[in-house]
Amino acid sequence: DFQMTQSPSSLSASVGDRVTITCRASQRISTYLNWYQQRPGKAPTLLIYDASRLHSGVPSRFSGSGSGTDFTLTIASLQPEDFATYYCQQSYQTPSFSFGQGTKLEMK
Amino acid sequence: QVQLVESGGGLVKPGGSLRLSCGVSGFSFSDYYMAWVRQAPGKGLEWVAYIGRSGDLLYYADFAKGRFTISRDNAVNSVYLQMNGLRVEDTAVYFCVRDVRAAAGNWFDPWGQGTLVTVSS
Repeated sequence: DFQMTQSPSSLSASVGDRVTITCRASQRISTYLNWYQQRPGKAPTLLIYDASRLHSGVPSRFSGSGSGTDFTLTIASLQPEDFATYYCQQSYQTPSFSFGQGTKLEMK
Repeated sequence: QVQLVESGGGLVKPGGSLRLSCGVSGFSFSDYYMAWVRQAPGKGLEWVAYIGRSGDLLYYADFAKGRFTISRDNAVNSVYLQMNGLRVEDTAVYFCVRDVRAAAGNWFDPWGQGTLVTVSS
């Protein structure tokens, strides 16, 4: 079964920090990898698609990289509104679009 | 402005049924796949089902097969999720999402606000 594993599961950081979240696929998925942000009590929103393409309106401090099985989401300089939970999602193995378990980014 | 608005959630007993609806505005509905994604309380995201542009392509997560049915009505810009044989573990917020298909894969954007389904006796 296709698995997406994120690390860490939770992370404490401060405003202005540079943060990196990792997502690993159990099989190679080329760059068929998306990232979402979910603020508390809200619906998720798309941040990055195709591993590295920034969705319209997303601040440039967010970036994504990787291909194959290993991917990263980087926030260059944390802002207060960035404290949220982040999910990766693969779209290589259709029709089952599995998500990672999430990474909760908390304020230190 | 693109908007997805879900309705139909609520409290239902195990074994019961519920029909979720999602009304869409702000884009050409019939040009897009649509999908449902759920999130159990305090848990992560889980894809449930998707439907093709004309309603001919239907795919379900294993837990949904045989119990859930996704459908759409392009005349009224709506997508539905009929859920039968509900189980306690189906308790979740159900999100309606636009399923964007491209050469670079597919992604879910935007998402509705979600509707809560609680299965409990």
